[in-house]
Amino acid sequence: GQQVMQIPQYQHVQEGEDFTTYCNSSTTLSNIQWYKQRPGGHPVFLIQLVKSGEVKKQKRLTFQFGEAKKNSSLHITATQTTDVGTYFCAVPYRSGGFKTIFGAGTRLFVKA
Amino acid sequence: DVKVTQSSRYLVKRTGEKVFLECVQDMDHENMFWYRQDPGLGLRLIYFSYDVKMKEKGDIPEGYSVSREKKERFSLILESASTNQTSMYLCASRYGRYDTGELFFGEGSRLTVL
Repeated sequence: GQQVMQIPQYQHVQEGEDFTTYCNSSTTLSNIQWYKQRPGGHPVFLIQLVKSGEVKKQKRLTFQFGEAKKNSSLHITATQTTDVGTYFCAVPYRSGGFKTIFGAGTRLFVKA
Repeated sequence: DVKVTQSSRYLVKRTGEKVFLECVQDMDHENMFWYRQDPGLGLRLIYFSYDVKMKEKGDIPEGYSVSREKKERFSLILESASTNQTSMYLCASRYGRYDTGELFFGEGSRLTVL
């Protein structure tokens, strides 16, 4: 079945430093989504990328979809303590209906 | 706003008990999912349903079954709970029959099997 590899598993940063998490697929993707899960919370949708080479920004967050549509990244500029949590990428997989498969997530720790 | 409601936030069960986890969504979504979340393993798909009475296995269906008799409700059943099923269970729903669209999650059900 569909698999997506996400790295790193953990990242510790000092407040103000940048952070990046990466997702890679062995197959071409129709789209990729990113979610954030705060400690003790549930995953919340951030964005969906569809086009080859697409770059989208949400304030300090920059999302990229690779030219080959097999990889994606989420970059946070100047992290804040409010950025702590786990960031997941998610991809569709057709099997009858369309399932959504998640990467293992990157947990971000921010030290003030 | 879309609301996905899971029946229990915390459950403690004994080995061998039958466990029902209920999930209800209020936005007429076609697709519903059950995931299991364990530290370092992310969200692993247990079962998926894209229509009433339709179900598909995910990556880790062993030891679980599901039921979707009504569009708004998707139940996860542990026929005989085991300690290795101690975990956080997350239900989600999504609109549409295509490969796009965000998932809306419930608050999660933390199950402990003793």
